[in-house]
Amino acid sequence: EAGVTQFPSHSVIEKGQTVTLRCDPISGHDNLYWYRRVMGKEIKFLLHFVKESKQDESGMPNNRFLAERTGGTYSTLKVQPAELEDSGVYFCASSQVRGALNTEAFFGQGTRLTVV
Amino acid sequence: AQTVTQSQPEMSVQEAETVTLSCTYDTSESDYYLFWYKQPPSRQMILVIRQEAYKQQNATENRFSVNFQKAAKSFSLKISDSQLGDAAMYFCAYRSGIQGAQKLVFGQGTRLTINP
Repeated sequence: EAGVTQFPSHSVIEKGQTVTLRCDPISGHDNLYWYRRVMGKEIKFLLHFVKESKQDESGMPNNRFLAERTGGTYSTLKVQPAELEDSGVYFCASSQVRGALNTEAFFGQGTRLTVV
Repeated sequence: AQTVTQSQPEMSVQEAETVTLSCTYDTSESDYYLFWYKQPPSRQMILVIRQEAYKQQNATENRFSVNFQKAAKSFSLKISDSQLGDAAMYFCAYRSGIQGAQKLVFGQGTRLTINP
């Protein structure tokens, strides 16, 4: 079974440009999460989808970030326009919903975004 | 808000030796989960070990074990008989035990090097 996959693995863009990151969760996983790690700091939660609905977007830094999950399958995270401080590694994770139990989250390898 | 602190940015150990990675956290909740994740270079982050706060017994997974001190809010990871494949970034993480709570709160990470 394929794990969580993220595209691209690396992206270098200029300040002011737009970048779209994609995440394909494990098939059947209704929960999808985005996290970000700015260089040398902790990994921070951005948002959480349950199927196509945003369950919690409290971690989104500002309105330059837009996450979508149309159809409840893959998700995209768009940064427009990108700023230097957006550089970091963006992680996606997915997990199953099993009643009241919180099941393990499986992570992708991350997308390293560099804004120059 | 909960916080997780990893005070060791880097650690190194000789192959076959034992190493302990530190993690402390802050929370006012009594029910929660704690995790150690491992991210090898350019690879997916994977779950190493998990501890439920209501369990007094320390979790163990083969060569990996934790020292969970609930009163001290400490959750260290011990790796015994270190192997070259253990080299990675290790992240300590917290998740609330509240039903429906999904997001993880991470520490800053510890880069572990294994010396042959």
